[in-house]
Amino acid sequence: NAGVTQTPKFQVLKTGQSMTLQCAQDMNHEYMSWYRQDPGMGLRLIHYSVGAGITDQGEVPNGYNVSRSTTEDFPLRLLSAAPSQTSVYFCASSYGTGSGEAFFGQGTRLTVV
Amino acid sequence: AQSVTQLGSHVSVSEGALVLLRCNYSSSVPPYLFWYVQYPNQGLQLLLKYTSAATLVKGINGFEAEFKKSETSFHLTKPSAHMSDAAEYFCAVRFSGGYNKLIFGAGTRLAVHP
Repeated sequence: NAGVTQTPKFQVLKTGQSMTLQCAQDMNHEYMSWYRQDPGMGLRLIHYSVGAGITDQGEVPNGYNVSRSTTEDFPLRLLSAAPSQTSVYFCASSYGTGSGEAFFGQGTRLTVV
Repeated sequence: AQSVTQLGSHVSVSEGALVLLRCNYSSSVPPYLFWYVQYPNQGLQLLLKYTSAATLVKGINGFEAEFKKSETSFHLTKPSAHMSDAAEYFCAVRFSGGYNKLIFGAGTRLAVHP
């Protein structure tokens, strides 16, 4: 089982460049989300989606866009990369409510220079 | 405001010693609670979760956690640490209401010494 797949695993961007982090899940989960992980701050929610066509902002949405055209895919777009966006990004998926745990991808380590 | 707090960003224990990692939440209604582990350069893996079926929850790798409503806590324990337990541990909560948002604590890095 593939679970949650993120690409790429590593990326270096120059300030001002744009890119898309890809995330796909094969578990038919309704709920998908993007987090960034920074030292000492845990995981902070960037954007999330409760189903195809429905997205909403999390705790730290500025500088990021998302869309959800299918149940399986939830890409994260950086429109104009800044050094403050240097981080490790995780995509997660889960069932809609309650005690269902989130399943995580392996992460994308992004460096903006 | 609803929140989750992990006390101690770094915990160091000797191999064979008790592991205790603390997690407290702030909410008037008990949330769903989770512990995740992250090994170096990897994603997060579920250790265990509280679903209200039992206050003492057993997870993988010999870890367990006890939900205490009166203390709004969900501390993670393991009776005897192993070198392979060295990792970062995250407590996460999903509060009732809202769209299933999972909120993480800041994490505790566990070091195990021989």
